[in-house]
Amino acid sequence: DTEVTQTPKHLVMGMTNKKSLKCEQHMGHRAMYWYKQKAKKPPELMFVYSYEKLSINESVPSRFSPECPNSSLLNLHLHALQPEDSALYLCASSQDERGLDEQFFGPGTRLTVL
Amino acid sequence: AQSVTQLDSHVSVSEGTPVLLRCNYSSSYSPSLFWYVQHPNKGLQLLLKYTSAATLVKGINGFEAEFKKSETSFHLTKPSAHMSDAAEYFCVVRNYGGSQGNLIFGKGTKLSVKP
Repeated sequence: DTEVTQTPKHLVMGMTNKKSLKCEQHMGHRAMYWYKQKAKKPPELMFVYSYEKLSINESVPSRFSPECPNSSLLNLHLHALQPEDSALYLCASSQDERGLDEQFFGPGTRLTVL
Repeated sequence: AQSVTQLDSHVSVSEGTPVLLRCNYSSSYSPSLFWYVQHPNKGLQLLLKYTSAATLVKGINGFEAEFKKSETSFHLTKPSAHMSDAAEYFCVVRNYGGSQGNLIFGKGTKLSVKP
């Protein structure tokens, strides 16, 4: 298995909802990442999981909450989002814990916040 | 500090003609450079990578890139464009000085292929 999977593919939610995005890889990779990508822009790093701990981009609002149940799963919990949070959310993984090699990306979850 | 500049926001070619997507980089270290492709509403796919081995790097789908240290460039080329090459292309440099696992993305080049 040489891919990163993400579910759901599409998600529409209201500002008061709580939802979760799921990311999974079975390549034995030791680091995983969440990115946010707005239209016509490059991806922006939100979180990194490596060395069995989460590193957080301090500019990411607390309404985004990552969780890593095990080394192959990375969830992103969403609560009280704003319309400007609508974007494509990409998950990626890399073999090296130090992040020195290439990252493999999932297909993304298209999130719309109403 | 590392940075990457994609010189063209949009490139349009005819099917069967060569493709050139330009990327310049800045790095305090020996850089690790990547090209990724993103088709509409899809994730990013790695085309190729440079990690200080051969300066001419061959990737998937007939793409290749040449690392030129003297020009601080890593341009992406393909001899003959196909309609399926129409997509957004990102030149990326590894950020050694920043947070762990941080990739620095260029702003992207949209490639259009005319029949």
